[in-house]
Amino acid sequence: AQSVTQLGSHVSVSEGALVLLRCNYSSSVPPYLFWYVQYPNQGLQLLLKYTSAATLVKGINGFEAEFKKSETSFHLTKPSAHMSDAAEYFCAVSDRSGGYQKVTFGTGTKLQVIP
Amino acid sequence: GAVVSQHPSWVICKSGTSVKIECRSLDFQATTMFWYRQFPKQSLMLMATSNEGSKATYEQGVEKDKFLINHASLTLSTLTVTSAHPEDSSFYICSAPTVGNTIYFGEGSWLTVV
Repeated sequence: AQSVTQLGSHVSVSEGALVLLRCNYSSSVPPYLFWYVQYPNQGLQLLLKYTSAATLVKGINGFEAEFKKSETSFHLTKPSAHMSDAAEYFCAVSDRSGGYQKVTFGTGTKLQVIP
Repeated sequence: GAVVSQHPSWVICKSGTSVKIECRSLDFQATTMFWYRQFPKQSLMLMATSNEGSKATYEQGVEKDKFLINHASLTLSTLTVTSAHPEDSSFYICSAPTVGNTIYFGEGSWLTVV
């Protein structure tokens, strides 16, 4: 069975500071991994995804994530936080057991950016 | 690029009535679509897998008679919340994978039952 664990339901950073949102996955087979962002009262927007190619994945809005198999992690980072980054971020996984189509989401991390 | 569209984005209905939410793949065919639900301050939980031409597959704990899913064509799946109650108020979102297994999500639908 696939699952993801997001450490920290709330993360606060100062504007301009490094953003680090943690995600660990569990999957019995090689996974696809995703980060989605949800702004208040809006739908999901894909930030980036890992599908077994390069382990360092660059996404939109300056975000990137690194797939580390040895640590079963897929942490999301951004060098310098912007006020517009304040949102909820979901790590997600899919694997072959669900045909790489059925996505399991983490519980989410709400990012607060302090001016 | 591929787009998945949901309608309506926002809906308010009276308790006891039924409401239908549509999920359309706009420029690709999707034999399978997925419906998720997100309660306030919680994560998105898979409700069911919608299969074109056959019955939907529901996740454990989801009432299939309450959440009717019809995958009428290769581009349309509908979720009908029957006899809605305030506790059904939630954010419902669908997804559809493309041939290359790229998954696209709809914009989501906010349901409020009063």
